[in-house]
Amino acid sequence: GAVVSQHPSWVICKSGTSVKIECRSLDFQATTMFWYRQFPKQSLMLMATSNEGSKATYEQGVEKDKFLINHASLTLSTLTVTSAHPEDSSFYICSAREQLSSYEQYFGPGTRLTVT
Amino acid sequence: KNQVEQSPQSLIILEGKNCTLQCNYTVSPFSNLRWYKQDTGRGPVSLTIMTFSENTKSNGRYTATLDADTKQSSLHITASQLSDSASYICVVSALGSGTYKYIFGTGTRLKVLA
Repeated sequence: GAVVSQHPSWVICKSGTSVKIECRSLDFQATTMFWYRQFPKQSLMLMATSNEGSKATYEQGVEKDKFLINHASLTLSTLTVTSAHPEDSSFYICSAREQLSSYEQYFGPGTRLTVT
Repeated sequence: KNQVEQSPQSLIILEGKNCTLQCNYTVSPFSNLRWYKQDTGRGPVSLTIMTFSENTKSNGRYTATLDADTKQSSLHITASQLSDSASYICVVSALGSGTYKYIFGTGTRLKVLA
């Protein structure tokens, strides 16, 4: 089956610093990747959708200058949280889809970000 | 407005018992409905997927049903095990402009006690 990995699985950073999270599709090429954020006891909230080679589309209320998304290749997307604040502490999950016309999306294992 | 609602929000059952989780949706145009299991601190894992024409789908001890007329789905867990403790998320896909949009339910947190 299709596998999506994320790195790191958890990260602790100081307030004001930036942190990068990687999402890779290991055995397929992902035309589209999605980034979600999940707070405790809540469901996943879509932050942005990125198609390879083009700018990400951000959901309403998500600051694109704070959450930088780069989908430079068909197997890698990165999310950079810039100038992190404690309220950015959350569980970040990516998913990948092979084709625009496919309904199948494969989720990564998530990255726990803690900002101190 | 596309919406997916799940009930109950949380549930506690004893090991070996059965339980049923509910999902009601108002999504158009409907494409398919999927149930995911999410362990704490992990990404969601797909359990079942059903399209408009499917009424039921099983995956081991998990059985999902779909009533496209009433826009309701259920996930039945038989002979629960401690490892079933997780969040269960109902996700409905809508097809529009040649691509799929996913609408997530709020999830049901299941706790199975020994």
